[in-house]
Amino acid sequence: KQEVTQIPAALSVPEGENLVLNCSFTDSAIYNLQWFRQDPGKGLTSLLLIQSSQREQTSGRLNASLDKSSGRSTLYIAASQPGDSATYLCVSYPQGGSEKLVFGKGTKLTVNP
Amino acid sequence: NAGVTQTPKFQVLKTGQSMTLQCAQDMNHEYMSWYRQDPGMGLRLIHYSVGAGITDQGEVPNGYNVSRSTTEDFPLRLLSAAPSQTSVYFCASSYATIGELFFGEGSRLTVL
Repeated sequence: KQEVTQIPAALSVPEGENLVLNCSFTDSAIYNLQWFRQDPGKGLTSLLLIQSSQREQTSGRLNASLDKSSGRSTLYIAASQPGDSATYLCVSYPQGGSEKLVFGKGTKLTVNP
Repeated sequence: NAGVTQTPKFQVLKTGQSMTLQCAQDMNHEYMSWYRQDPGMGLRLIHYSVGAGITDQGEVPNGYNVSRSTTEDFPLRLLSAAPSQTSVYFCASSYATIGELFFGEGSRLTVL
């Protein structure tokens, strides 16, 4: 059974720092991997989707990479801002279909001014 | 540009009451699903649908019912609410079973 782990569970950094959030998965036979952001009391906002044929995706200050062989994805945030404070979740799409999506429990990021 | 719309945003029920959480999407997505999010448990799939007229159970379906009469709507029914169903419920949709997932804002349910 696929397991998705996000370590650390919480991270606090000063404004301006570059940082990396980690997502590891036990079964490398995944199709896509998606990163979400969740603000307190809000829904999940899609940040980046890395499709099966891709190794990374970029959007603004965000860059997500995927290494299936090592069972790892990273989300790089450049020049962090207080507005980046949120919980970041990753989800793996197994090759069997979306009913088998597996979510990590998230990393709560706090960026201090 | 509505996306996925959930109503109500907040609801308080007494044990034994029934209610329906509404979910609608305007992106013509075939795939829709319901999750619950609980502290320390992450997101767990309740029910999902791959198209109108087709539904199936997820990881935690007991106590919930769904139907999919149209592509746009996917309501979640609580048949007899229990305190264990106190949670935040999210509806999600995608154009295909492996497509990018889009979430609603969530419905916070408290069962007393």
